[in-house]
Amino acid sequence: LAKTTQPISMDSYEGQEVNITCSHNNIATNDYITWYQQFPSQGPRFIIQGYKTKVTNEVASLFIPADRKSSTLSLPRVSLSDTAVYYCLVGDERGPGSQGNLIFGKGTKLSVKP
Amino acid sequence: DADVTQTPRNRITKTGKRIMLECSQTKGHDRMYWYRQDPGLGLRLIYYSFDVKDINKGEISDGYSVSRQAQAKFSLSLESAIPNQTALYFCATSDPQGVRTDTQYFGPGTRLTVL
Repeated sequence: LAKTTQPISMDSYEGQEVNITCSHNNIATNDYITWYQQFPSQGPRFIIQGYKTKVTNEVASLFIPADRKSSTLSLPRVSLSDTAVYYCLVGDERGPGSQGNLIFGKGTKLSVKP
Repeated sequence: DADVTQTPRNRITKTGKRIMLECSQTKGHDRMYWYRQDPGLGLRLIYYSFDVKDINKGEISDGYSVSRQAQAKFSLSLESAIPNQTALYFCATSDPQGVRTDTQYFGPGTRLTVL
């Protein structure tokens, strides 16, 4: 049961800000929003997580509107090394084994060009 | 993440052979997972374990079995490998204690080819 929808792919150029939006219309009250980054032939890596409003860390920012039905991952001034697949997941502490919880979809393949 | 290791990293085998993929973690996490990833697809959950005595089937468990030998070790077996099990396999761990969601930490992956 997919709980999130995100674009299949995006293109950008070095130095630009990239915003990837994820839709999660059926997000539950207890659900958090988590984004992962995956480079080719590597395991996904946690980037950022939030519940509401805005979260910022050294890698990215996460914007969550008041209705929480979507979220936007913002990558400032991307470089070639940011080329990767980005996954948006929603869920709570029950873990990915619970139906519909913390499912990795196909993600968004971001290609950064020089 | 160096705290989660997988062996072997690459394996080529033949149809019908029994294969075991191993995962070890030093993070002290109770929860462990096995995923497979096929080209162009996301990760699909095969099996998961919330503690040593707990084993659960995921989305695509047919053709696979697992063993949780200890808190730190979780093995995935293919009893009789077939070509459509050719994929990249990832082990992951998590420990949601004290937080309200479940962040996973992934190993480097095992690339399995079944001829």
